[in-house]
Amino acid sequence: DSGVTQTPKHLITATGQRVTLRCSPRSGDLSVYWYQQSLDQGLQFLIQYYNGEERAKGNILERFSAQQFPDLHSELNLSSLELGDSALYFCASSVGSGFYNEQFFGPGTRLTVL
Amino acid sequence: AQTVTQSQPEMSVQEAETVTLSCTYDTSESDYYLFWYKQPPSRQMILVIRQEAYKQQNATENRFSVNFQKAAKSFSLKISDSQLGDAAMYFCAYRSETDSNYQLIWGAGTKLIIKP
Repeated sequence: DSGVTQTPKHLITATGQRVTLRCSPRSGDLSVYWYQQSLDQGLQFLIQYYNGEERAKGNILERFSAQQFPDLHSELNLSSLELGDSALYFCASSVGSGFYNEQFFGPGTRLTVL
Repeated sequence: AQTVTQSQPEMSVQEAETVTLSCTYDTSESDYYLFWYKQPPSRQMILVIRQEAYKQQNATENRFSVNFQKAAKSFSLKISDSQLGDAAMYFCAYRSETDSNYQLIWGAGTKLIIKP
């Protein structure tokens, strides 16, 4: 158990819908990272927040957005969902803002868009 | 742009033997970090080992060690005395030291099968 929690574990929805994925980092960690892992593929970095501020942006679609709240939990919002958005979405956390800091991954949220 | 290549989609090894997973990367930078992550069937991502490019000494963590060849841009992972619990997807990742975007660039992964 990494200490990072993600809810829900599974999410099934229809195209065009909007969903929110939630992540709670390890106690004391200020950085939260979001990744997308499509079937049989590596991870695609989406976005990073550090202490409430956006720190780095990767291959995140405009239909996706995220935020980190004062209690440091983070939410990833996915809207106008498409079949291709079906994937495993990971949240990771680390103490510092640099990627050198070891990232601890949550168990992931499996999103299925029908 | 940096890229990471794992040329072995799948590898298998007999239990208790040694296996090496390959990773090559392309970069014009001199300072960076390299990582190996393990993703077992539970889908949890677990950091196995990391290497700072400025360090000549290869990183080692128990049965896991790397062969870091900076000039060749190669970063292979050696697993000694393979155990059934080592069965997983293994991902190699690169992180720039100088790029303020701090992105982790990931390889496509190698599926490691352990034969009992």
